[in-house]
Amino acid sequence: SAVISQKPSRDICQRGTSLTIQCQVDSQVTMMFWYRQQPGQSLTLIATANQGSEATYESGFVIDKFPISRPNLTFSTLTVSNMSPEDSSIYLCSAQRGVTGFYGYTFGSGTRLTVV
Amino acid sequence: QKEVEQNSGPLSVPEGAIASLNCTYSDRVSQSFFWYRQYSGKSPELIMSIYSNGDKEDGRFTAQLNKASQYVSLLIRDSQPSDSATYLCAVTGPNAGNMLTFGGGTRLMVKP
Repeated sequence: SAVISQKPSRDICQRGTSLTIQCQVDSQVTMMFWYRQQPGQSLTLIATANQGSEATYESGFVIDKFPISRPNLTFSTLTVSNMSPEDSSIYLCSAQRGVTGFYGYTFGSGTRLTVV
Repeated sequence: QKEVEQNSGPLSVPEGAIASLNCTYSDRVSQSFFWYRQYSGKSPELIMSIYSNGDKEDGRFTAQLNKASQYVSLLIRDSQPSDSATYLCAVTGPNAGNMLTFGGGTRLMVKP
């Protein structure tokens, strides 16, 4: 299954600034997913990123706030824009294991974001 | 009704005991079922997958699936303090476009 390298692992940012999180997969994957996980909570899907098309955002998440790039089948970025303390969370990227999600997902190591 | 439901816990068991984690799902045509372990501050790690009714064993872990009851469980035998983590149940199937739906997770605490 795919191995995902995610960076940065953590960051402390000033409110009003933006942070771009990168995920590099060691093999080509069709779909990548971006999640947010707030303290003590489960995973919340932000968006699904397919190569060559615009990301599909879940309810409550918008492209202006969380722009996503997917330039090729091994790389994706998520930007958290105009940050506020409410954006403090762990952000995770993931990819399907195998061609479809039948075999589950692999996750990156996560980015712990603190906005001050 | 949530699509995948888990008791949030915490579930506390003594070291050496069997920990039993349960999950129910609402989509009857779900095909793939997963258990992820997540240590505090870390990302989820896939520990078990199961696709057909019955039991699947891997070391100290046993996954049990009952599609008629829409129920999947994870048993951890000889629980160790290092098993203390949050366990996430995840389900997928054709109605979800093979995208995973996660439960809220159960926090397990194994006390020495």
